[in-house]
Amino acid sequence: SQELEQSPQSLIVQEGKNLTINCTSSKTLYGLYWYKQKYGEGLIFLMMLQKGGEEKSHEKITAKLDEKKQQSSLHITASQPSHAGIYLCGADTAGNQFYFGTGTSLTVIP
Amino acid sequence: KAGVTQTPRYLIKTRGQQVTLSCSPISGHRSVSWYQQTPGQGLQFLFEYFSETQRNKGNFPGRFSGRQFSNSRSEMNVSTLELGDSALYLCASSLGQLKETQYFGPGTRLLVL
Repeated sequence: SQELEQSPQSLIVQEGKNLTINCTSSKTLYGLYWYKQKYGEGLIFLMMLQKGGEEKSHEKITAKLDEKKQQSSLHITASQPSHAGIYLCGADTAGNQFYFGTGTSLTVIP
Repeated sequence: KAGVTQTPRYLIKTRGQQVTLSCSPISGHRSVSWYQQTPGQGLQFLFEYFSETQRNKGNFPGRFSGRQFSNSRSEMNVSTLELGDSALYLCASSLGQLKETQYFGPGTRLLVL
């Protein structure tokens, strides 16, 4: 989908390093969701953000939605091999459709 | 509580055939959504059913259809298969209308030859 652009497309980091994944929309987001997917498997819900400026954390993962509600970032602190996978952002738009971002493949080297 | 189940897990079909995929949501969940995932297009929304009614629909041709039964189980049908329909088809269920409670199944991998 071209509705949501994620960057970077792929990321390779050393274990223990911090990293950030970005998700950008050209339209106002009514809800922004982050998911993690292991290759060829279903998605695991991570976090949902609705309000501009909102920030949520779970264990070592923090997600933020900017004030204009058009960009979100996912930050992982002290990455571990268990963080490896594909991270996808998803969003509700005014058209009542749900879009997913292009995905970011994360590899964590022990 | 059992998770979302999808059957079959793998499927091989030839062009022109039709296929039906099944999704059993988590017990008590009334909303089922379907998604197509391909390397080229990524993850795309197909449609959403809630209480046997299609509530939302993505930008897919009419060859893609679905339905939901009174027990919330859902089926997705693709007619006149094309090579480009080869994909991982994921379904997700949720209690109601909140995307945050959406739980995904393992997917059905369809290969069209």
